[in-house]
Amino acid sequence: GAGVSQSPSNKVTEKGKDVELRCDPISGHTALYWYRQSLGQGLEFLIYFQGNSAPDKSGLPSDRFSAERTGGSVSTLTIQRTQQEDSAVYLCASSLKSPGTYEQYFGPGTRLTVT
Amino acid sequence: GNSVTQMEGPVTLSEEAFLTINCTYTATGYPSLFWYVQYPGEGLQLLLKATKADDKGSNKGFEATYRKETTSFHLEKGSVQVSDSAVYFCALTPSNDYKLSFGAGTTVTVRA
Repeated sequence: GAGVSQSPSNKVTEKGKDVELRCDPISGHTALYWYRQSLGQGLEFLIYFQGNSAPDKSGLPSDRFSAERTGGSVSTLTIQRTQQEDSAVYLCASSLKSPGTYEQYFGPGTRLTVT
Repeated sequence: GNSVTQMEGPVTLSEEAFLTINCTYTATGYPSLFWYVQYPGEGLQLLLKATKADDKGSNKGFEATYRKETTSFHLEKGSVQVSDSAVYFCALTPSNDYKLSFGAGTTVTVRA
């Protein structure tokens, strides 16, 4: 079946603008994750959803970052008042369940560039 | 906290050479261990995993053994191909947890 999809694949925005990044998980996967891949920080966990609930938002770097998930499916990561340090590749992953050994399947990522 | 340390690259090899990428971890309890691979222009893919001590994960000719006594999960392949050129990430999830903690990644280039 289809894998995890993310849109847009690339986003260039001006500093101070808001952006929305979208993730479509694999159908039937109840767990959804957002990670960020940046040159300085490597791969970092941002937030985890089980169904529509986000029990763990501990990785969100500031209150400018928020995320929601609707219908137990699509998730949107929103960054308000973007800063240059937000430039990174934002990765979404989903798994059949959580926690433990269930494999996380990753999408291709959204490359965000803040100018 | 949980952390993963893997050997720094870049690593450049000739085809059919032996590849080893070292990975050690710090975690409480019994984490699950993973190797992910990122081919040029593609997303992260799970290469192999091991969920308990002495388990060996294997896929596409790659192998890694979960060594609790040395807290290691080194990746090996006996004969690499040009198509193995990629960035390799070692990662873990703690017991009964979901957050993947990644190493910094090792860039491997295989030359014909």
